[in-house]
Amino acid sequence: EDQVTQSPEALRLQEGESSSLNCSYTVSGLRGLFWYRQDPGKGPEFLFTLYSAGEEKEKERLKATLTKKESFLHITAPKPEDSATYLCAVHRGGSEKLVFGKGTKLTVNP
Amino acid sequence: KAGVTQTPRYLIKTRGQQVTLSCSPISGHRSVSWYQQTPGQGLQFLFEYFSETQRNKGNFPGRFSGRQFSNSRSEMNVSTLELGDSALYLCASSLQGLAGGDSGANVLTFGAGSRLTVL
Repeated sequence: EDQVTQSPEALRLQEGESSSLNCSYTVSGLRGLFWYRQDPGKGPEFLFTLYSAGEEKEKERLKATLTKKESFLHITAPKPEDSATYLCAVHRGGSEKLVFGKGTKLTVNP
Repeated sequence: KAGVTQTPRYLIKTRGQQVTLSCSPISGHRSVSWYQQTPGQGLQFLFEYFSETQRNKGNFPGRFSGRQFSNSRSEMNVSTLELGDSALYLCASSLQGLAGGDSGANVLTFGAGSRLTVL
């Protein structure tokens, strides 16, 4: 059974304090690993898709990386507007479903 | 470009009733997926439709059903509601679904959800 574990569950940072979120996964035949951001009262918003170990993608202060067992979302010099829940999900080949982790709730204090 | 529209946004039902939720995908998107989000279980896959055909179904009881129309709009229905059905129901659309390759056609765009409370 596909499993996704995110850590930590919650993270508080000061503005400008860089950190990383972890997403560990177990899936047979990974086709893609997705990162989403979810703000309160809204649906998840797409950030990145990673397809193979060693791949990296960047967007503003966010950088996602992928290994064969885990993915990291690095946040550099975060701002209060980066506060949100970050969700990781995996897609197994032959399936039309994403298996999500339970998310990391990030709070960035000014 | 209009996003994914879900209606209603909020609704309250009592146990035993049934509910129908609606999802209008982004124009041109042919795949629609539904997910249930609860604090305890997170997001869980319900089903996915492409060109009016259900391609995948998650591990939910038969009380949960869905359909897709020729214009790609989708509905999901939950019959005989239980307290545990209280959740945020999210719809997502994509051009071709997750199997659409890595060209961006596989990216799921989510709506804001329908918040169901069962009393």
